[in-house]
Amino acid sequence: QKEVEQNSGPLSVPEGAIASLNCTYSDRGSQSFFWYRQYSGKSPELIMFIYSNGDKEDGRFTAQLNKASQYVSLLIRDSQPSDSATYLCAVMRSGYKLSFGAGTTVTVRA
Amino acid sequence: DTAVSQTPKYLVTQMGNDKSIKCEQNLGHDTMYWYKQDSKKFLKIMFSYNNKELIINETVPNRFSPKSPDKAHLNLHINSLELGDSAVYFCASSQDLARGGVMNTEAFFGQGTRLTVV
Repeated sequence: QKEVEQNSGPLSVPEGAIASLNCTYSDRGSQSFFWYRQYSGKSPELIMFIYSNGDKEDGRFTAQLNKASQYVSLLIRDSQPSDSATYLCAVMRSGYKLSFGAGTTVTVRA
Repeated sequence: DTAVSQTPKYLVTQMGNDKSIKCEQNLGHDTMYWYKQDSKKFLKIMFSYNNKELIINETVPNRFSPKSPDKAHLNLHINSLELGDSAVYFCASSQDLARGGVMNTEAFFGQGTRLTVV
């Protein structure tokens, strides 16, 4: 079982729609959860982090965490062409290990 | 005023050569990482250092040897380069999770080093 798994992409959504990204993790002891965005040829940059069960909203982005189900999600509302990128789910496990999922590529169609 | 800087940005070399990639962070972080991103964009952790001490070694071949002279630097030396080593290597840093119970340990990434072995 992979440490961090993301829903397979690519994901194509029309401009203005909601993009929904999912992630599951295997280690119940994981403490912090992150969503990174990576544009082609660039380094990953943090969009959201969450460490408590429930929802966390930041602008057009909402992260959801359910530790019982070992599930993290990211919603992007009112998707814009500039949101087209690869989104990486990352999980901080014990021992200073930040593990990433394989990423989901999102394309927002104008 | 770069937070995490890597050099070089591009590296093209022949099989069998030895090369190094340097990384420096000016964020005062205690933890530094090396990641390898392959052609399928999967970002795989290689090493994690905390205060110059090796914490994580994810079954990386012995040809890869990280060195941390101080907590602001984490260099990666690769011996006897192989074709399969071609990838983008990212250095990153984050604050010590154990310090003050910090949970939002955002990892800041360098710009990456694209290594091509021919």
